[in-house]
Amino acid sequence: EVQLLESGGGLVQPGGSLRLSCAASGFTFSNYAMSWVRQAPGKGLEWVSGISGSGGTTYYADSVKGRFTISRDNSKNTLYLQMISLRAEDTAIYYCAKDWYVGATTNVFDYWGQGTLVTVSS
Amino acid sequence: EIVMTQSPATLSVSPGERATLSCRASQSVGSNLAWYQQKPGQAPRLLIYGASTRATGIPARFSGSGSGTEFTLTISSLQSEDFAVYYCQQYNNWPPTFGGGTKVEIK
Repeated sequence: EVQLLESGGGLVQPGGSLRLSCAASGFTFSNYAMSWVRQAPGKGLEWVSGISGSGGTTYYADSVKGRFTISRDNSKNTLYLQMISLRAEDTAIYYCAKDWYVGATTNVFDYWGQGTLVTVSS
Repeated sequence: EIVMTQSPATLSVSPGERATLSCRASQSVGSNLAWYQQKPGQAPRLLIYGASTRATGIPARFSGSGSGTEFTLTISSLQSEDFAVYYCQQYNNWPPTFGGGTKVEIK
């Protein structure tokens, strides 16, 4: 059974930093691209960042480019999102999501974690 | 980036009735369109990809159609568990983008 478990969310002041983790199980982690998708309170979904299965290629939304860094450790089956210079508008539930297609980045997400809440406020 | 527009924002339907949700892209996305269902307090669930292919385990009452810029998700006979918010998403261009959602509520 595929499982994705996010952690690392919390309350942080504007300008602060946070590192999110997503522990994956139930599939060959290194074979699949992964993404982070966020959802502000009461709002819709926004893709934030993606990474290829090998970790060699990364992608970012313009809204986070230069402030967020996605990475993965395939030996630990874990996805990360390092966030710096956080702003109030980054407040959201952050979901990690698995690409459905093996060996390629399609941005179709067949499994999602339950999310971790990041609140940026003074 | 491609803007996805969903209509209506809210759809009131009685159980057993048919629901038709629309999604429009600001430019052609071919058939690279997915639909997700999200219930309160839960993560989204993939329903449809490739505009019309049901994901694993999705009931046949869910169907998708369309190509280019106009897409439709149809739920043929609404069950109680289908009342939720539905999002379309294009994955033809970077970045992948989602529509604002359609809430399907009980009439």
